[in-house]
Formats: sequence, C-alpha cells, structure tokens
Amino acid sequence: GIQVEQSPPDLILQEGANSTLRCNFSDSVNNLQWFHQNPWGQLINLFYIPSGTKQNGRLSATTVATERYSLLYISSSQTTDSGVYFCAVGSSGTYKYIFGTGTRLKVLA
Amino acid sequence: DSGVTQTPKHLITATGQRVTLRCSPRSGDLSVYWYQQSLDQGLQFLIHYYNGEERAKGNILERFSAQQFPDLHSELNLSSLELGDSALYFCASNPVDTEAFFGQGTRLTVV
Repeated sequence: GIQVEQSPPDLILQEGANSTLRCNFSDSVNNLQWFHQNPWGQLINLFYIPSGTKQNGRLSATTVATERYSLLYISSSQTTDSGVYFCAVGSSGTYKYIFGTGTRLKVLA
Repeated sequence: DSGVTQTPKHLITATGQRVTLRCSPRSGDLSVYWYQQSLDQGLQFLIHYYNGEERAKGNILERFSAQQFPDLHSELNLSSLELGDSALYFCASNPVDTEAFFGQGTRLTVV
C-alpha cells in the first residue's frame, strides 16, 4: 500500500516565525488532505489539495503530484497553531485515506 | 462544525465489556469511514461503508464490527475490550472520492 512520510516529526517555533511541513507519498494519489489536530483532539480540515496550490490566510499548501510530495506553509505562526499536522492521501479504488505520522508543532509565545 | 456527528464523546468501560460507537455522516454523504487513533499507532483506518455496503477493510480486529444502516448512520461495535483498545475513534464522511470530514471523535478509556 501507499506509504506516507511527514517531516519534520517535531518542530518548535517562536511566535511570528514561518515554517514548511513536508509530506512524501510513495505512489500516485487522487486525494490529498492536510489536517490540524488541536490539543483537544479535533481533526480540522486545512486543505483538500490533490494537486496545485491553495492559500487560506496565513496558511498555504502546494502539491506536486508528479513528484509525490506536498508542502504546507505556515507564516507568522501563532500559539494557536500548536498541535499535530497530518497529511492524508487516497488513491482511486482504495476507498480509504492513509495518514502520515504527523508533524508535532509547538509555537512559543 | 464538520457536520459529522459522533456519540458519545467520552466512554469509560471495563475490560471484557462491549460498547457501541455511533456516527451520523454529513447530510448527503453516503460514505462512512472509521479510524482509530491510539498513542503509539497514529491514525489507523478500520473500515469503510458506502450506502450500506462494506467497501474496504483495514486493520480491524475480529472483536470489532461495524455496520451502516438505511438512514446512513453507522455503528462501530467493540467487544471483549482490552486495555490496548483505549483510543480516540473517529468517523469521517465524504462524497465519492473527495474531501473527507471528520467527527469530533469518541475517546474510549478501558480500565
């Protein structure tokens, strides 16, 4: 099955700093999502981005499907950005999302 | 609010017991997915139903079973519970092959 790797596993930032999170996947995919899991455990949709680039406020994401990776950019980080960021991928006909192991982000005030 | 409803939010039960977790998908979505998130295993896919039929099965134990009813809600039944079954159980729904939305999860503690 598809393997999903995320890097870095852990990240500590000062408030206001920028960061880039990476998701590599081992096979072609039809679906790719980025999630933020907050300290209360909720999985919050950030982007549905099987290809291309999207932006939402301080967050943006880019997926290069032909090279099998996706990047999540966080600019001017805030303490509320803390939590775990997951990438999840799916391919047509598999009827499931495979999650990466996540990047644990801590933003210090 | 994702539109996916899971009940209960928290559940504490003893080893050997059986519990049922419930999920209502977003209005109009025919698919329901179940995931388990334990501390040492990350988010693991358990099972997927589409319009009442099982479509895919992941690492779901034989002690666990699920079904999707005609009104499209789904139930995950966990029996002969062990300490290691303590985890967050998530349900998700989506239209075919598009963005998935997750419920708030059920936190199961087995004591």
